[in-house]
Amino acid sequence: GAVVSQHPSRVICKSGTSVKIECRSLDFQATTMFWYRQFPKQSLMLMATSNEGSKATYEQGVEKDKFLINHASLTLSTLTVTSAHPEDSSFYICSAIGSGPRVITDTQYFGPGTRLTVL
Amino acid sequence: QKEVEQDPGPLSVPEGAIVSLNCTYSNSAFQYFMWYRQYSRKGPELLMYTYSSGNKEDGRFTAQVDKSSKYISLFIRDSQPSDSATYLCAMSDILTGGGNKLTFGTGTQLKVEL
Repeated sequence: GAVVSQHPSRVICKSGTSVKIECRSLDFQATTMFWYRQFPKQSLMLMATSNEGSKATYEQGVEKDKFLINHASLTLSTLTVTSAHPEDSSFYICSAIGSGPRVITDTQYFGPGTRLTVL
Repeated sequence: QKEVEQDPGPLSVPEGAIVSLNCTYSNSAFQYFMWYRQYSRKGPELLMYTYSSGNKEDGRFTAQVDKSSKYISLFIRDSQPSDSATYLCAMSDILTGGGNKLTFGTGTQLKVEL
């Protein structure tokens, strides 16, 4: 099936620093990518939706200046957490929708997630 | 009331048992229904995808959708220890279509014991 990767898988940073997380579709072209946040024992909360070459659409309550999303190509989206604070510590997961022989149309394929810990 | 309700469990069953996982929802516009499996500290993996009402079978897994009751189920036959994971239901409405803008349940933690 379709494969989505994320890098890094785990990151620890100091409060006030910025962290970039990459999301890549490895064997298909991702026209749309999604970024989620998941707290322990809770469901996935959609943060933003990004389409290749255009600005991301953020969900209500998500600060777009804090969570910068760039979808520069059909295989790569990045999420940058700026001026991170301990309350930003969470599990960040991306997903992608796209086209290709390995994908089901309009189905989200998820990356393995990135665990962010802000000290 | 949440749009999608799912019992968080944990649900513990013996190996070989039939497992029934369920979600209820309130938004009648939901047309696309999915089940994802998520192992600890990993991203969700798509198990089943169903459009509108009906049943769908794939190996040991069967997904059922009853739109009149706003109720969906995932059945796992001959459960194995490797099925131990959190199972998330997800759905989207006819306006956004397909997998766009999914609404997730909280997930049910399943443990299959030897």
